[in-house]
Amino acid sequence: AAGVIQSPRHLIKEKRETATLKCYPIPRHDTVYWYQQGPGQDPQFLISFYEKMQSDKGSIPDRFSAQQFSDYHSELNMSSLELGDSALYFCASSLVGNHNEQFFGPGTRLTVL
Amino acid sequence: ILNVEQSPQSLHVQEGDSTNFTCSFPSSNFYALHWYRWETAKSPEALFVMTLNGDEKKKGRISATLNTKEGYSYLYIKGSQPEDSATYLCAFIRYRVSSGSARQLTFGSGTQLTVLP
Repeated sequence: AAGVIQSPRHLIKEKRETATLKCYPIPRHDTVYWYQQGPGQDPQFLISFYEKMQSDKGSIPDRFSAQQFSDYHSELNMSSLELGDSALYFCASSLVGNHNEQFFGPGTRLTVL
Repeated sequence: ILNVEQSPQSLHVQEGDSTNFTCSFPSSNFYALHWYRWETAKSPEALFVMTLNGDEKKKGRISATLNTKEGYSYLYIKGSQPEDSATYLCAFIRYRVSSGSARQLTFGSGTQLTVLP
């Protein structure tokens, strides 16, 4: 069965640079979520999209933005990167009506030097 | 801010022991409670999606119960095996009255289980 795809899997950037993370949800899933997990921390919800519209917003910094495209893939854009942005970024997708059971991608590990 | 708490934080058991963990969550505006299993270097994997007070779900040696009135869920593992070693996360979804739909998961901090052979 198709799973959530994230790219790239690993990304190394320098401070003040920009990064773009991509997420391809499971086919026919209509909701995408982004989570950030810092070293030794719980996953923190960043933002979600339902049918290409932002549906919920969590602890996403103003330097970050995200969108969901017509093919339902989503991109998380991160600008002016800081050392503290180094984390594992998970994307998950779900189908509304299934009590939001979320299927997670493998994550993108971002390292900011 | 929603408080989703899990206990214990970590647990070491011997192979063959049975064990259980607790997840507590706000009892108001309940929509769903999820349990995820998270192995190191892998992504979280859904174990159970629980929606009704009194729900009991079972998958092999793992089962879970739900009490939405008092705001807690228990996860039980019977006859633990080394391959059960992982972090077990619960996640609460609050019903959003304003939009009529629920989206955001609030995760607990997890219970890290180590099963010793």
